[in-house]
Amino acid sequence: GQQLNQSPQSMFIQEGEDVSMNCTSSSIFNTWLWYKQDPGEGPVLLIALYKAGELTSNGRLTAQFGITRKDSFLNISASIPSDVGIYFCAGLNNFGNEKLTFGTGTRLTIIP
Amino acid sequence: DTGVSQDPRHKITKRGQNVTFRCDPISEHNRLYWYRQTLGQGPEFLTYFQNEAQLEKSRLLSDRFSAERPKGSFSTLEIQRTEQGDSAMYLCASSWGSLNTGELFFGEGSRLTVL
Repeated sequence: GQQLNQSPQSMFIQEGEDVSMNCTSSSIFNTWLWYKQDPGEGPVLLIALYKAGELTSNGRLTAQFGITRKDSFLNISASIPSDVGIYFCAGLNNFGNEKLTFGTGTRLTIIP
Repeated sequence: DTGVSQDPRHKITKRGQNVTFRCDPISEHNRLYWYRQTLGQGPEFLTYFQNEAQLEKSRLLSDRFSAERPKGSFSTLEIQRTEQGDSAMYLCASSWGSLNTGELFFGEGSRLTVL
């Protein structure tokens, strides 16, 4: 099935550093979502974006819905150990279509 | 009710056997979804229900797969004549209303290993 392109695939950072990741699509989405998944667990919603150009924050996390509707960005400031995990973007492309299309994931590792 | 629960969490089976997974959504949620996640990939949509009606099925859901939600509450996903390619994490999720306005809550998943 289709998957959105996420970059980078993996990141190795030190605690306290800021993190940026993005997600791109060849098609338009009306809703962009960012999830975090810990090993052996299901994804947990971090931020939801419903309008092109929207910038939304949730604590140290900030996400943006790209103007073209074909991309989205997630930033994490001042990373802490519990930020370790896999981050997935997901898009919803039409009203009435309840099928989320997920990205390939960005694995975040914090180096002690 | 603290969230979406799935059972079993892990299942190891031999090729050709049938397996069934159960999902109990958050009690007031009317929509229930099944996704499949293989190693190193994001979840892929399989199917979803609004109450007891199955409204959409992915082409990933071959005729060996069947999902039901008979009373609009819990759901089962059955895989008949399992193949090694069916090995994956099967994730259930639920929501109240459309995903354009509502949040999707995932369970912890049922991991299937087909030997």
